[in-house]
Amino acid sequence: GNSVTQMEGPVTLSEEAFLTINCTYTATGYPSLFWYVQYPGEGLQLLLKATKADDKGSNKGFEATYRKETTSFHLEKGSVQVSDSAVYFCALAQPETSGSRLTFGEGTQLTVNP
Amino acid sequence: GAVVSQHPSWVICKSGTSVKIECRSLDFQATTMFWYRQFPKQSLMLMATSNEGSKATYEQGVEKDKFLINHASLTLSTLTVTSAHPEDSSFYICSARGQLAGELNEQFFGPGTRLTVL
Repeated sequence: GNSVTQMEGPVTLSEEAFLTINCTYTATGYPSLFWYVQYPGEGLQLLLKATKADDKGSNKGFEATYRKETTSFHLEKGSVQVSDSAVYFCALAQPETSGSRLTFGEGTQLTVNP
Repeated sequence: GAVVSQHPSWVICKSGTSVKIECRSLDFQATTMFWYRQFPKQSLMLMATSNEGSKATYEQGVEKDKFLINHASLTLSTLTVTSAHPEDSSFYICSARGQLAGELNEQFFGPGTRLTVL
């Protein structure tokens, strides 16, 4: 079955540091890949997505590239801000086999200190 | 963008009582709604998928008689936790997906409902 593995947290960075959160997946075929962000006490918000190999999703300074050869979708940001403190979830969906159900990784807690 | 609301945002109840949580799509018609459960510092666990006008499809290990899901209209789905017990305490999140042509259409998430059973 499908699965998503994220790097373990928590991750603590200083403001303006470079961020990488690793995400790898297992799936047959060609899934779509997502990063969601969850701020404290809130639901999930879609941060970015990529639907095919070599696509790069980007939003709010975050970006991730769909790498089929390494089955990865690592999240990066060049300079984090305190407001980026949240939990980040990598996820995949496979429309042709699962009706677009999302499979989530474990989540990575990010704390950015001023 | 599409907005999904949940009500209530938090609820505290006594053991043995039932609690209903509403999930509404405010500006689009949601043909499919999903219910998730999230434990502290853990990922989201899909509980069930509901399509408007039909019975929900429950994930393995989720008791359908305990977690009653109704999706009676294209903008409303409800989750009722029957005879709640302390182990049912959790953060419940719904998401909604409309019917769009073309590629994969996105799920939009509600803000979640914190259930505490005493």
